[in-house]
Amino acid sequence: SYELTQPPSVTVSPGQTASITCSGDQLGHKYASWYQQKSGQSPVLLIYQDSQRPSGIPERFSGSNSGNTATLTVSGTQAMDEADYYCQAWDSSTVVFGGGTKLTVL
Amino acid sequence: QVQLQESGPGLVKPSETLSLTCTVSGGSISTYYWNWLRQPPGKGLEWIGYIYYTGTTNYSPSLKSRVTMSVDTSKNQFSLKLSSVAAADGAIYYCARSRPQLDFDLWGRGTLVTVSS
Repeated sequence: SYELTQPPSVTVSPGQTASITCSGDQLGHKYASWYQQKSGQSPVLLIYQDSQRPSGIPERFSGSNSGNTATLTVSGTQAMDEADYYCQAWDSSTVVFGGGTKLTVL
Repeated sequence: QVQLQESGPGLVKPSETLSLTCTVSGGSISTYYWNWLRQPPGKGLEWIGYIYYTGTTNYSPSLKSRVTMSVDTSKNQFSLKLSSVAAADGAIYYCARSRPQLDFDLWGRGTLVTVSS
């Protein structure tokens, strides 16, 4: 079965740029989406179709997808960005999620 | 705006069937795909499956043998049944909206289901 791999944790200083990767076989040939989940809340769609932001999502969130890796970039990271982040893609009509990355802002 | 709300028992006995309903308010269920996902406490997200308003379904291969989804367009609701539950099925269950082969752009608040005798 298809798998998406994310680093368990990423730490970033306030105001700096955080990059969270998501790896999967030929992931660049699929659309990747990213979700933010703050503690005790439902996931929120951050990025869809690799690099598109839904309305209301700050511009500091951006995405890319090429080769075997999709990347979520958070520019000018703020304390409020501390959360779990999940990548997601479809493979053969099945949804696959990455294991999630905890972003810590220290 | 469109909102999703899960409802159902918070406690299910082992070997019994978990039943949940998601009510779609502020919009029609007769478009988009309607999904169930779950998240064990402290763990990651798992997709269970989706149903379209026509009744077409698609289930996760790992749960397919135990899952049944249904839709009631007159009530703007869709439902999940998961049979023969075990402790490992205890999780927060979410309903969510998606476009075909794309993203989940709207989520319910989730409902915690515990499996215990």
